[in-house]
Order: sequence, then structure tokens, then C-alpha cells
Amino acid sequence: DAKTTQPPSMDCAEGRAANLPCNHSTISGNEYVYWYRQIHSQGPQYIIHGLKNNETNEMASLIITEDRKSSTLILPHATLRDTAVYYCIVRVASHGNKLVFGAGTILRVKS
Amino acid sequence: GAVVSQHPSWVICKSGTSVKIECRSLDFQATTMFWYRQFPKQSLMLMATSNEGSKATYEQGVEKDKFLINHASLTLSTLTVTSAHPEDSSFYICSAYGTDTGELFFGEGSRLTVL
Repeated sequence: DAKTTQPPSMDCAEGRAANLPCNHSTISGNEYVYWYRQIHSQGPQYIIHGLKNNETNEMASLIITEDRKSSTLILPHATLRDTAVYYCIVRVASHGNKLVFGAGTILRVKS
Repeated sequence: GAVVSQHPSWVICKSGTSVKIECRSLDFQATTMFWYRQFPKQSLMLMATSNEGSKATYEQGVEKDKFLINHASLTLSTLTVTSAHPEDSSFYICSAYGTDTGELFFGEGSRLTVL
């Protein structure tokens, strides 16, 4: 699986959009970009994933650059409950493939 | 989404004893489950892949005789920490794939404290 690079931490004002970047310059053509988050002392929570098109769901939007070497997770209106560690992972979306976590980004939403 | 449940959510045991942690897929069948360990302020570290009806596959550096994994049914995998020591104190998390889209769902985690 390709490696990812994320900033170690970010701050965001409550109510504003949180934009979390991720670099994955060695991504392969069949690897998807996945985002998970982990709130303190809980298991990781799936947020969103995509291959090359931008994706949106009820939680977030995922913007993937045309060359697929980087992506941005957007939380449109961050709340205090969005404070968590956010993990960007690239992997082949095949059943049974393991997920390897990097260090992630600590997002602190402040009032 | 699919639900993965772990039990117990926390456990305290004495050094030298064994502890079993259960991971269940509540509304789907999981032929493959994964076990992770997480130390404070660190990321999740994959320990092993649990396969229903066959032996688990352990990541490099993880002692298979120390961390026994049994995946006897399509909805249950267990992790037994044998002869636990204080350095085994950690947050243990399991995960399993949902049946359709390739999403990996995680349990709530089990916090083990070995005294």
C-alpha cells in the first residue's frame, strides 16, 4: 500500500470548514483514498473514500487532485465534536486487504 | 453501516493471567477480521489478520504464542493475551469488512490494564 503524509496537527474554528490535506504521491491506479477518524479512546470511524472523482456524503467531502497525488478532506461546518485524529489511508479496495494506519492529523476544533 | 462489537470494553488483570477479548460482527458475516493495538498517543498498529476457519496471519514482530487468535465462526473472533504483563497494557481494537463496499468497520476497542 502507498504511504501517505499528513500534517501532525491543525486547528479550526467552530462553524468553519476544516480542510485536512493528505499527500499520496506514490498511489497506484487501483488504490483508493480512505479517510477515518478516531475520537479519544474509541475505535476509528469511517468517513469517506474515493478513487479519482470527488465524493461527498453526510459527513464530509473528499477532493482528489487530477493526478491523484494528493487529496483534501473537507468538514464543511466543523463542530467541537469533530475534534479527533484523522487518518488518510490509500489501499486497494479489495475484500480482505488490511488497513495500515499512519500517524494522522490531530484536528482541534475551537470555539 | 455494519456494526462491530467488542467485549469487554475494559479489563484489569494481574500479571501472569490470560485475558480474552471478543470481537463480533453483529449484522453481517465476516470471513476476515483484523486486530490492532494502540499505545497512548500513538497510531493503531496492526497485529494480525484473523481468518474464519484457518490460522491467523501475524504481522512481523507480533508473538503468535502470546496473542492467540481464534476465528471459529463467521461472526466471532477472539484475541487471548496469554500470561499478560504490564507492557501488554494497551487499547486493543478489532475490525471487519462490511459485506458490500469494502468499508472496514471498527469495534469500540478494549482497554487492557495489567497490574
